[in-house]
This record gives sequence, structure tokens and C-alpha cells, in this order.
Amino acid sequence: DAGITQSPRHKVTETGTPVTLRCHQTENHRYMYWYRQDPGHGLRLIHYSYGVKDTDKGEVSDGYSVSRSKTEDFLLTLESATSSQTSVYFCAISETGTAIEQYFGPGTRLTVT
Amino acid sequence: GEDVEQSLFLSVREGDSSVINCTYTDSSSTYLYWYKQEPGAGLQLLTYIFSNMDMKQDQRLTVLLNKKDKHLSLRIADTQTGDSAIYFCAEENNAGNMLTFGGGTRLMVKP
Repeated sequence: DAGITQSPRHKVTETGTPVTLRCHQTENHRYMYWYRQDPGHGLRLIHYSYGVKDTDKGEVSDGYSVSRSKTEDFLLTLESATSSQTSVYFCAISETGTAIEQYFGPGTRLTVT
Repeated sequence: GEDVEQSLFLSVREGDSSVINCTYTDSSSTYLYWYKQEPGAGLQLLTYIFSNMDMKQDQRLTVLLNKKDKHLSLRIADTQTGDSAIYFCAEENNAGNMLTFGGGTRLMVKP
């Protein structure tokens, strides 16, 4: 998975609790992305980062925040988890910001009960 | 807005050809992509096609692009059981910094 790890790989949490997912890369790539994958929807972009402390919203950013204080880590936070945020979350990295060179992590399965 | 659609499921016999279809709406997309996702894994880029091409061949994979109809297809020749996976098509936005994915087609290969 091109030097990308995600933690945790599985998590079950209750509605209303805060949750933070971590993406860590060892490739020193500039761009990092968070997607969610739901049945029938493919992957949808939540937020992305184009450098340390530089982030922007994607297609489905409501209810999520991100932070990138170092090149290698990109954190996704659900301030107050809801059942609609039950999904599989994928991190991706890219040096150039192009899809051709976008590599995906193994995913985190989050269940909000 | 952008919308990418695929059929949900395809079943073929080992050795046959598989054709996975995709329609997209953003005519300004520069590149279109095919990804493969095996169970429990992330997406792996299989191939891509530049929008000014109508065909690209890469070993057992053939991508056909019909820009007029906004239709993209992926043909896998001599399909093997190891090709069983979910296949996603995706289009890139004009700025080249975002992808819109289809819902995925689950390919099942029967021995």
C-alpha cells in the first residue's frame, strides 16, 4: 500500500462520541486525502491537504474536520459521530496531486451504533 | 454536477472476456480511470485513458472511450479467478485535483 498506514483499522463507537482516524505515510508526498466508501456510492472525497496546515473541503465534508501538522500525518476527526458516518474510510496520498499518482491506504471500517 | 454510473454486478466464466461499463457526465474530464478493489484492500489503479484517445490497450485490459456518449468500458480478456474484485471507474475534474467515482461493479469469475 505504498507506505500508507491507517489506524485504527476497525472501530465501533457510539453516537455522539468524538472519533479521530489517523493516516500515516512514509513517502513524504505532498498531497493527502480522506475518502469515505459506502455501498453504491464508490468513494467520495471528504477533505484533502496540499501541504502542512493546508487543507480544503471535498464533496462530503459536513460533520468532519481534518488537521495536518506534519507531512506524514493527516487526521480525520468526527466531532460527534452519527450513524450516517458508519462507513469505510480510505486515506490516499499523491506527490503531484494527480489521480494517476494517487495511492490508497488499506482503509478503516467505522461503525457508529 | 458530476455523476458516474456503473452496473452493480457482472458474472463471467473463467477464460471468457469481461466488459464493465461506465457512464459519466463531465465532458471536461481530462482523464478517466479504472480501479480495482480486492476484498479488505484499498483501491489499486489499473489503467487510465486520456480524453483525446478512444482506445487504450494494456496486456489483457482494453479501455474504450466514447466521448460523444460519455461512455467508458473496461474489457478484461481471458478473465481469471484472480480478477474477481470490485471495479470502479472515475473521472477527474477540470482542475485535475478531484476524482468522482462510480458506485463500483462487482465482478465474479466462476471456474
